[in-house]
Amino acid sequence: QQPVQSPQAVILREGEDAVINCSSSKALYSVHWYRQKHGEAPVFLMILLKGGEQKGHEKISASFNEKKQQSSLYLTASQLSYSGTYFCGTENPGNQFYFGTGTSLTVIP
Amino acid sequence: GAVVSQHPSWVICKSGTSVKIECRSLDFQATTMFWYRQFPKQSLMLMATSNEGSKATYEQGVEKDKFLINHASLTLSTLTVTSAHPEDSSFYICSVLGVGASGRGLFEQYFGPGTRLTVT
Repeated sequence: QQPVQSPQAVILREGEDAVINCSSSKALYSVHWYRQKHGEAPVFLMILLKGGEQKGHEKISASFNEKKQQSSLYLTASQLSYSGTYFCGTENPGNQFYFGTGTSLTVIP
Repeated sequence: GAVVSQHPSWVICKSGTSVKIECRSLDFQATTMFWYRQFPKQSLMLMATSNEGSKATYEQGVEKDKFLINHASLTLSTLTVTSAHPEDSSFYICSVLGVGASGRGLFEQYFGPGTRLTVT
């Protein structure tokens, strides 16, 4: 039931853009996105509900396609502080949360 | 958002001993808490859902007799790793569900800082 993320890892230069994808084999009620720095707990970024909505958080935005059971996280004009591992979290009907496989993002000067 | 604390933040124990990890919701009452385990360079894996006043719901493959969960109050859940072995060494993280700041009444997860367990 673990969602699959792609790519597994990506390296960007400051100012470049990236897209992280999250795909589930199960029907989803909502999708959450988190960023985790090494040795720390994940930090909540945003939540998206079914309905194809998009959301934005500073220069980070996301979309959710419930029919395809997929979500994408868009990082624009990346900053050094964006480095970390990004996880999607999916909520199934029944309030069960499952975290994705993770995407390691490194932003270099 | 909710403020969640965990104690201890780091513990080393000998093989065969038991370790208790506390998860506290500091600023609101949490009827549901989640316990996750994370191995190096891997994702968080849900271990169990802790419900106040009732038995925890364990994920498939998680031994309930080995990982004892007690959610005795609305602000405290404990995870006890019994007879710990080196393969139990991991980063244990709890989370609570709280109404988020989105203004839509949606529940969001708020994580504790985690407990790093090393079993020697």
